[in-house]
Amino acid sequence: KQEVTQIPAALSVPEGENLVLNCSFTDSAIYNLQWFRQDPGKGLTSLLLIQSSQREQTSGRLNASLDKSSGRSTLYIAASQPGDSATYLCAVKDDYKLSFGAGTTVTVRA
Amino acid sequence: EAGVVQSPRYKIIEKKQPVAFWCNPISGHNTLYWYLQNLGQGPELLIRYENEEAVDDSQLPKDRFSAERLKGVDSTLKIQPAELGDSAVYLCASSLVASGGELFFGEGSRLTVL
Repeated sequence: KQEVTQIPAALSVPEGENLVLNCSFTDSAIYNLQWFRQDPGKGLTSLLLIQSSQREQTSGRLNASLDKSSGRSTLYIAASQPGDSATYLCAVKDDYKLSFGAGTTVTVRA
Repeated sequence: EAGVVQSPRYKIIEKKQPVAFWCNPISGHNTLYWYLQNLGQGPELLIRYENEEAVDDSQLPKDRFSAERLKGVDSTLKIQPAELGDSAVYLCASSLVASGGELFFGEGSRLTVL
């Protein structure tokens, strides 16, 4: 069974600092890895999708890397803003379903 | 383009009562998922549909939960009877293809069982 871990569970940074969020998974036989953002009381918003054949994906200030062999992905958010405060979840797809980590709750202080 | 639509957004019921949640996926998305999310945790899969066929329902508590996806479009998730431990957010998601497709989620239906 796929196990997805996100450490730390929470972090707080001052505005402008770069964010580094980590995700690890136990089974490297995945189709893809997806990063989501979740605001309180809301659903999940897809941020980036990395296919298993890719090493990274970029969208604006966001960059996600994937190292399948070591079972790790990292989400970088450059020049953080208070609006980036949210919970970030990673999920890996294998056997046609997504397995989620518990998320990292980010607070960006103005 | 409309996203995944869920209703109701909030539901409060007494234990042993029935409850139903509805989901309309993104147009053209053949794969539909129902997930359950408890506070502070990541979502967990309940059931996956490919068109109208439930292809993975191994995590669905079939004694009280049921789901259907008529005509391969909208889906309904039902709980009868509800228990206190069912209080959670029920999320619906859809994707164009099952294997490498990106998942898109609805806003979720928050259930409180008293």
